[in-house]
Amino acid sequence: AQKVTQAQTEISVVEKEDVTLDCVYETRDTTYYLFWYKQPPSGELVFLIRRNSFDEQNEISGRYSWNFQKSTSSFNFTITASQVVDSAVYFCALRMNTGFQKLVFGTGTRLLVSP
Amino acid sequence: NAGVTQTPKFQVLKTGQSMTLQCAQDMNHEYMSWYRQDPGMGLRLIHYSVGAGITDQGEVPNGYNVSRSTTEDFPLRLLSAAPSQTSVYFCASSYSGLAGTTGELFFGEGSRLTVL
Repeated sequence: AQKVTQAQTEISVVEKEDVTLDCVYETRDTTYYLFWYKQPPSGELVFLIRRNSFDEQNEISGRYSWNFQKSTSSFNFTITASQVVDSAVYFCALRMNTGFQKLVFGTGTRLLVSP
Repeated sequence: NAGVTQTPKFQVLKTGQSMTLQCAQDMNHEYMSWYRQDPGMGLRLIHYSVGAGITDQGEVPNGYNVSRSTTEDFPLRLLSAAPSQTSVYFCASSYSGLAGTTGELFFGEGSRLTVL
């Protein structure tokens, strides 16, 4: 069975702090895709990143970075120098590559950045 | 750029009433799906479609019907609403849901449904 665990329900930080959101996944497939989505208070879901299982390179996009480690089945997301606009719920998701694909979501981590 | 459009954004129903949540996309995506979001449970797949005329069940299909008569539209029907269907519903689409594709999902803005 496939599963995504986001153990951190809610994180509160002060602006300019760095924060890491954890994501641990379970799958028996060797080929799969991992995603992060952001859900701001307005409610829409915004795609942030996709990573396939064969690419373990870390990725950086501005203040965002992602650390993918197959050895620990983790795909963690770090925001550097957090800003109030980063306040949102962040979802990690897993997608397999066999048959029909669906996204399996974690339960989300709510990030609150205060000024 | 319309993307994925859902209507209505808010709806209140009484138990036993029926309604349809509309979803339309203008990106010519083959794959469309419906998710529900409940507190503490993330998003769960209700139904999906890999093309016009083809639908299948997801993780939590009971109480919902779908059809896909065109590439653009994928309505979700509640035949007899129950309080357990109170949730936020998201429609999503991607170029393809088939194996071998990365299939980034594009989501609509969500529809908040309350069943009394």
